[in-house]
Amino acid sequence: DTGVSQDPRHKITKRGQNVTFRCDPISEHNRLYWYRQTLGQGPEFLTYFQNEAQLEKSRLLSDRFSAERPKGSFSTLEIQRTEQGDSAMYLCASSAKTGKHEKLFFGSGTQLSVL
Amino acid sequence: GESVGLHLPTLSVQEGDNSIINCAYSNSASDYFIWYKQESGKGPQFIIDIRSNMDKRQGQRVTVLLNKTVKHLSLQIAATQPGDSAVYFCAENPSGSGGYNKLIFGAGTRLAVHP
Repeated sequence: DTGVSQDPRHKITKRGQNVTFRCDPISEHNRLYWYRQTLGQGPEFLTYFQNEAQLEKSRLLSDRFSAERPKGSFSTLEIQRTEQGDSAMYLCASSAKTGKHEKLFFGSGTQLSVL
Repeated sequence: GESVGLHLPTLSVQEGDNSIINCAYSNSASDYFIWYKQESGKGPQFIIDIRSNMDKRQGQRVTVLLNKTVKHLSLQIAATQPGDSAVYFCAENPSGSGGYNKLIFGAGTRLAVHP
């Protein structure tokens, strides 16, 4: 257990529905990341927060996706009007900057299946 | 485009043997590399990292080698154990990523350890 919690672990939804995932990072970590992983592939960067500020969003994050970290602690990722292509594992990671490069601690992810 | 790839999708080894997992990267500007282990149903777990000003780094039973001339990264696992069975990803952090972990992952190599 890395200390990063994600909820739910699994989500099955019908196409067109909205879904929301939650991530609770390690408490002292000020940086939070969302990645997406499809079967057989490595994770792909989606977005990054430093405290409550969202500092970068990937082009993978379409207008249907929105992420928030309102108090600089937990984060939510919402997907509106889900499509079958959204089916993937959504991974959250957190880190604390202690030097030029910091270690990412990943949660176990939320597996989304869009029917 | 920028990518991190792997030579072998699957590697089978006998328990007790040494394992070598290889990775080729294409972004010569990357200055930080990481190996992750991912077990089924879990998020990626940090194994070892190396900065571009180094060519070798050792951990407990693991060694990472970096050859910047040919843009090649390898992970060596000594005395492979059944618990090492997992998918292994290499990842690079391009130097222009602003000091945060906008990692580029490869597709992964599955390591299967047989008794």
